[in-house]
Amino acid sequence: QKEVEQNSGPLSVPEGAIASLNCTYSDRGSQSFFWYRQYSGKSPELIMSIYSNGDKEDGRFTAQLNKASQYVSLLIRDSQPSDSATYLCAATPGRGSTLGRLYFGRGTQLTVWP
Amino acid sequence: DTGVSQDPRHKITKRGQNVTFRCDPISEHNRLYWYRQTLGQGPEFLTYFQNEAQLEKSRLLSDRFSAERPKGSFSTLEIQRTEQGDSAMYLCASSPSSYGYTFGSGTRLTVV
Repeated sequence: QKEVEQNSGPLSVPEGAIASLNCTYSDRGSQSFFWYRQYSGKSPELIMSIYSNGDKEDGRFTAQLNKASQYVSLLIRDSQPSDSATYLCAATPGRGSTLGRLYFGRGTQLTVWP
Repeated sequence: DTGVSQDPRHKITKRGQNVTFRCDPISEHNRLYWYRQTLGQGPEFLTYFQNEAQLEKSRLLSDRFSAERPKGSFSTLEIQRTEQGDSAMYLCASSPSSYGYTFGSGTRLTVV
């Protein structure tokens, strides 16, 4: 079992819709979670971080964390074609591990069609 | 440019050759990371430096791989006796004390 699991998609939504991306993690000690966006052929770009249960909003993006269910999600409101990319979920290791690495999921490919 | 810089952007090498990649982190970031990413997969952790100290190495980092960060500034990643399975994007990232990584553009390695 991988530490971070994502549905690889592809997920396809029309312009203006809400895109919902989901992620589960296996290490119950993980404390910090991140969403990265990666355009084809480019490097990942940090778009959201979340550390506490609940919702965190930043513009059109909302990250949701439920530590009891070991579940993280990213909602993109008013999706735009420019949001078409692969979205990577990442988590820190649990307590006791060296605080350096992140575990990444394989990413969910999102396509927003006009 | 104040971002993370990686050089070269692309490298094609013959199997068995040695290759070295360079990463220049954001100057005020004391943490530096190397990851490897293959097509359709997320980045996989290779190693982590805090200043000049290499604090963690993944089991993925075989004896053919070595990384250095002299003086806590730029870092190099060397792969000796390259194999076709080493073909991947090698990503460098840096961060201050938080986990907010900034990735460089990566070095795409192709071993033929």
